[in-house]
Amino acid sequence: DTGVSQDPRHKITKRGQNVTFRCDPISEHNRLYWYRQTLGQGPEFLTYFQNEAQLEKSRLLSDRFSAERPKGSFSTLEIQRTEQGDSAMYLCASSFTRVMDDTEAFFGQGTRLTVV
Amino acid sequence: QKEVEQNSGPLSVPEGAIASLNCTYSDRGSQSFFWYRQYSGKSPELIMSIYSNGDKEDGRFTAQLNKASQYVSLLIRDSQPSDSATYLCAVKGWTNAGKSTFGDGTTLTVKP
Repeated sequence: DTGVSQDPRHKITKRGQNVTFRCDPISEHNRLYWYRQTLGQGPEFLTYFQNEAQLEKSRLLSDRFSAERPKGSFSTLEIQRTEQGDSAMYLCASSFTRVMDDTEAFFGQGTRLTVV
Repeated sequence: QKEVEQNSGPLSVPEGAIASLNCTYSDRGSQSFFWYRQYSGKSPELIMSIYSNGDKEDGRFTAQLNKASQYVSLLIRDSQPSDSATYLCAVKGWTNAGKSTFGDGTTLTVKP
């Protein structure tokens, strides 16, 4: 399967615990995006990388959230001291971008987080 | 006002009919427009992209863009029950902009 892969698919954690999610993009894609989606809402942008550089981070993103893409390949999203309000589907997407040429973003299956 | 607005629906059409989904956006500088389909409990799946004013057809799907009116639509011809899903409109500010801004989706039900 050459699509975007996310792990784990489901995560249940207790409030206050830290969680980490992994995303493996489509291999030739240089951009990687993280979104969060709650029921009845569209995906909400969190952050994105071009290669290993984190180029934009949502102003809404708490400092409890951190993302990395150390070698420009896979990425991790960590949430520290989870809160019930963090319960959501966390979506990763990737795309290929050259100067003045952008392609569509393709999503992984998502990681559903439940904080109890 | 949300940056990308869609009618939440639900929109219900009979099998074989044309389903029309609409989206308006507030950023006049937006350049790239996408339609995603999302089945319940699944992640969004890209079905159409459009960058220029006018129509773009792909099988049973036609995307229409009117930048002057800040309006993009998706038509689904010969609707099938398998088309029942939530359709998300996404907008990018310029070609190399990082993020897409999504609407909250329109839920479509196609009745056999």
